[in-house]
Amino acid sequence: QVQLVQSGVEVKTPGASVRVSCKASGSTSNMYGITWVRQAPGQGLEWMGWISLYNGNTFYAEKFQGRITMTADTSTSTAYMDLRSLKSDDTAVYSCARAKHRNDAFDIWGQGTRVTVS
Amino acid sequence: SFVLSQPPSVSVTPGQTARITCGGNNIGRRNVHWYQQKPGQAPVVVVNDDSARPSGIPERFSGSNSGNTATLTISRVEAGDEADYFCQVWVRDGDYVVFGGGTKLTVL
Repeated sequence: QVQLVQSGVEVKTPGASVRVSCKASGSTSNMYGITWVRQAPGQGLEWMGWISLYNGNTFYAEKFQGRITMTADTSTSTAYMDLRSLKSDDTAVYSCARAKHRNDAFDIWGQGTRVTVS
Repeated sequence: SFVLSQPPSVSVTPGQTARITCGGNNIGRRNVHWYQQKPGQAPVVVVNDDSARPSGIPERFSGSNSGNTATLTISRVEAGDEADYFCQVWVRDGDYVVFGGGTKLTVL
């Protein structure tokens, strides 16, 4: 069974950048793709984008276009999400999840990474 | 952009049936996934592809999708079902994913 383990808590100042990592362990041969979702305090889920672990193709939510980059290192089974020009309303828990395709359910989730921008 | 509408809250007593709706324009043409999220925990898929139940999810959880409304039905509700529930779809034209705003299920 695949597990996704994310990097730790981050505290950033406005204008800075953050990188969150998501390492897969276990049966990583069927990872396919990783999606990133965030949840602001007391709010709902917000989709940020998806990266194919086959070819590195990325699909970003329009809201984050221009300040988000998703990458993956297949040799270490690790996905990364970089978010630039942080603002206070980027304060949220950022989570990675497995998804074969954007149309599929996100069936395995990381534990989440709390990012505070202040 | 495509919008999914959920009621903010639903309340039921133990043993009753809870129905949580997810409205969207012609949502019946899309695959709908449902997630359960308890405080401080990651979301868990309880129904995928409108009505499929992942391994380990009780049969009490079921889903349907037609027209402009998808519905998550929880039969014989238990105290442990109290959580936030989110619906989700992929919008092919535009190639993006949308979540509903979430519904808080309270078991009285």
